[in-house]
Amino acid sequence: SSELTQDPAVSVALGQTVRITCQGDRLRRYYGSWYQQKPGQAPILVIYNKNSRPSGIPDRFSGSSSGNTASLTITGAQAEDEADYYCNSRDSSGNHVVFGGGTKLAVL
Amino acid sequence: EVQLVESGGGLVKPGGSLRLSCAASGFTFSSYSMTWVRQAPGKGLEWVSFISSSSSYVYYADSVEGRFTLSRDNAKNSLYLQMNGLRAEDTAVYYCARDKDGYGSFDYWGQGTLVTVSS
Repeated sequence: SSELTQDPAVSVALGQTVRITCQGDRLRRYYGSWYQQKPGQAPILVIYNKNSRPSGIPDRFSGSSSGNTASLTITGAQAEDEADYYCNSRDSSGNHVVFGGGTKLAVL
Repeated sequence: EVQLVESGGGLVKPGGSLRLSCAASGFTFSSYSMTWVRQAPGKGLEWVSFISSSSSYVYYADSVEGRFTLSRDNAKNSLYLQMNGLRAEDTAVYYCARDKDGYGSFDYWGQGTLVTVSS
């Protein structure tokens, strides 16, 4: 089982705001990153260092963290945001990386 | 433009070996740690292995420790994953990715190469 826990599926109405969460003890010590993956494509980094966006990622994507929970918020979800979202972080050793199980986002 | 191109995947029998390669371009390869991540069919992402920029540090997931060996050739801008003792559960798309800051943020990914372990 994954050491980072994500809800398997979340839905949001078009144009509304959705929060996707990732829980795990290591998030108290290490920042999480977030990845978007569409069917048949490689993952794309959307958030790193808790709330930094790589260039080219729309500013409707934001990150936050509190205690053992990291969150990815999409403000004004678009149809193209429908995808699987994964969080990751270092594990307790600090030398390994662990991914959450992924959240399938449906934009209705 | 940053590009990562994996190769070497294919069909192999249980217990067999494969060597995956990842050719990097568009950035100073020798300055970045690199990683492999795999994804079994219909499943989530699984981190496999990490190598630091100068190969000083190499780490493996418990699931592949002792069977896989990660190396790099900075002169050739290439990353290699030698996979021995392959099992059915190693069947997956294998992605190489650049570690943005050495802390597990993977900012560029290849398109992946499929490894199928089956008799």
